[in-house]
Amino acid sequence: DGGITQSPKYLFRKEGQNVTLSCEQNLNHDAMYWYRQDPGQGLRLIYYSQIVNDFQKGDIAEGYSVSREKKESFPLTVTSAQKNPTAFYLCATRYLSTGKDEAFFGQGTRLTVV
Amino acid sequence: GIQVEQSPPDLILQEGANSTLRCNFSDSVNNLQWFHQNPWGQLINLFYIPSGTKQNGRLSATTVATERYSLLYISSSQTTDSGVYFCAVEPGAGSYQLTFGKGTKLSVIP
Repeated sequence: DGGITQSPKYLFRKEGQNVTLSCEQNLNHDAMYWYRQDPGQGLRLIYYSQIVNDFQKGDIAEGYSVSREKKESFPLTVTSAQKNPTAFYLCATRYLSTGKDEAFFGQGTRLTVV
Repeated sequence: GIQVEQSPPDLILQEGANSTLRCNFSDSVNNLQWFHQNPWGQLINLFYIPSGTKQNGRLSATTVATERYSLLYISSSQTTDSGVYFCAVEPGAGSYQLTFGKGTKLSVIP
């Protein structure tokens, strides 16, 4: 969506390195999410945050870390503990109000381990 | 957690044909959305439809919450409709998590 910016679009990581994926939004949405997508698969939730300075683990949080220091930003760090990080990573945001809590997605970051 | 099943997993259509995609979910939901993922990976919002029926051009969707399913109808399909269609649900108010199905891959051929 136009109000959600993910960067970089492509990222290459060497074995053993940590990398950080950026997600910024100007929609004033409350919640932000990180999903992982493997080829031919659906989206799996890594982490999500409803408010600043608070976040919760999703289904596949191991090997990842996040922070939410500002409402607009929710960076994801893929650590060396993540054994199979090659995937497509998608950031989403939602405005948490009944009837208006539609989720929108950024354009994604493709991470490849080399 | 809630289970989301989409069918069929793959669908090939001749241009101009109609189709129905189905999403079944295992528990009551507070939020249900349909998305189209284009060949570049971008997820496009199609419908926000926790209940009822909506239409947008050649696409329409119906969610019967009491029977735990949603249907996405595509009429007069075009090659640009190709891609993967995902259903995502939020299981109950306050969970804030969207759980995705595995998608239906649609290929529309000229």
